[in-house]
Amino acid sequence: EPEVTQTPSHQVTQMGQEVILRCVPISNHLYFYWYRQILGQKVEFLVSFYNNEISEKSEIFDDQFSVERPDGSNFTLKIRSTKLEDSAMYFCASSAGDRGTDQPQHFGDGTRLSIL
Amino acid sequence: ILNVEQSPQSLHVQEGDSTNFTCSFPSSNFYALHWYRWETAKSPEALFVMTLNGDEKKKGRISATLNTKEGYSYLYIKGSQPEDSATYLCAVGGTASKLTFGTGTRLQVTL
Repeated sequence: EPEVTQTPSHQVTQMGQEVILRCVPISNHLYFYWYRQILGQKVEFLVSFYNNEISEKSEIFDDQFSVERPDGSNFTLKIRSTKLEDSAMYFCASSAGDRGTDQPQHFGDGTRLSIL
Repeated sequence: ILNVEQSPQSLHVQEGDSTNFTCSFPSSNFYALHWYRWETAKSPEALFVMTLNGDEKKKGRISATLNTKEGYSYLYIKGSQPEDSATYLCAVGGTASKLTFGTGTRLQVTL
């Protein structure tokens, strides 16, 4: 069964450094998402992406964050200047169809980001 | 701000027990409701997506109902098995492009 893959599984970065988290969504999916979960807290929506542009973003997704689909298969999340509070598990997800949240989302295994 | 609440926070049942969890949400600005099953060290797995008031869905021993007018959904597990042990996440789409998650219900099923 096709799956969403994320790399790396664990990233350790110094505060202030840039980090890029990578995701390969399921190939025929049209909607892509990034979420994060800070330890002990809820899963939080960051951004959704459809038709090569951001559909919606949360208040967390400020100017330090960006997403890109550089080559038609990868979907990346970049954090320009990381802060301690960016430490979290980051999940990528994708869904089929063009109607967004009325389709189930398929999640990757996540990247654990640790900021030192 | 869309607030999604789940109860109970955790639940411990014996094998063979039936159980149910609740997800509540504001009934305005509703687009879709998702249930996910999340085992430790794995990724969340979609169980159901429901959009219409009165929807009922079933997958094996697990079923779910939706009431959009009063803002709640129930997830039922009949005859719980140890392999049902997981965190069950509810998420609500207030728009077509954003899901808001609850805190989850952690289920532990013992022999």
